[in-house]
Amino acid sequence: GESVGLHLPTLSVQEGDNSIINCAYSNSASDYFIWYKQESGKGPQFIIDIRSNMDKRQGQRVTVLLNKTVKHLSLQIAATQPGDSAVYFCAENYGGSQGNLIFGKGTKLSVKP
Amino acid sequence: ETGVTQTPRHLVMGMTNKKSLKCEQHLGHNAMYWYKQSAKKPLELMFVYNFKEQTENNSVPSRFSPECPNSSHLFLHLHTLQPEDSALYLCASSHSVGGGQSYEQYFGPGTRLTVT
Repeated sequence: GESVGLHLPTLSVQEGDNSIINCAYSNSASDYFIWYKQESGKGPQFIIDIRSNMDKRQGQRVTVLLNKTVKHLSLQIAATQPGDSAVYFCAENYGGSQGNLIFGKGTKLSVKP
Repeated sequence: ETGVTQTPRHLVMGMTNKKSLKCEQHLGHNAMYWYKQSAKKPLELMFVYNFKEQTENNSVPSRFSPECPNSSHLFLHLHTLQPEDSALYLCASSHSVGGGQSYEQYFGPGTRLTVT
């Protein structure tokens, strides 16, 4: 099966609320994780990444949390805006071949005004 | 945009045609990638090039033939494709692979390919 997956295929939130998108991975040797956002008609856009020696990393309005014990990754978006509506993908690299990112199927985030 | 451009953005081709997809990156990266994105499936890595050398061929059928003449350009030559090859083909680039560290990949907008 896939080594990276998502708990929910769709997520609907109210504008201004916080969003949490979850991701599970199965390869305990993975040492690098990354979140992408893909809007309709565009390629995936890098959001934030985290290495396995960290458990939290913050960006502008986004936070990635890594729980290696349960092999879980999450993306938190603060004060979600309509422009955040997109499909969000997590991906992992298990270090065997650094260029090989393994992607999950994606979660579609819809923001209601 | 991301600094990675792809042409054409849309392509319709018959099963007997030969066409090529082009990707160019303006980020000074040394690694380039081809991915296939089909509906309801995760992004699938097809090929990886590092410093113009192919380092990964993810069991891709020979009707897809990549070419990397330099670190800034990547092509995907297509011939005798099947309707199930219809998908969004994405190019990406990153710092060089290897050395024990991974880097974020920057994607182009993709080429929407339809095989009739």
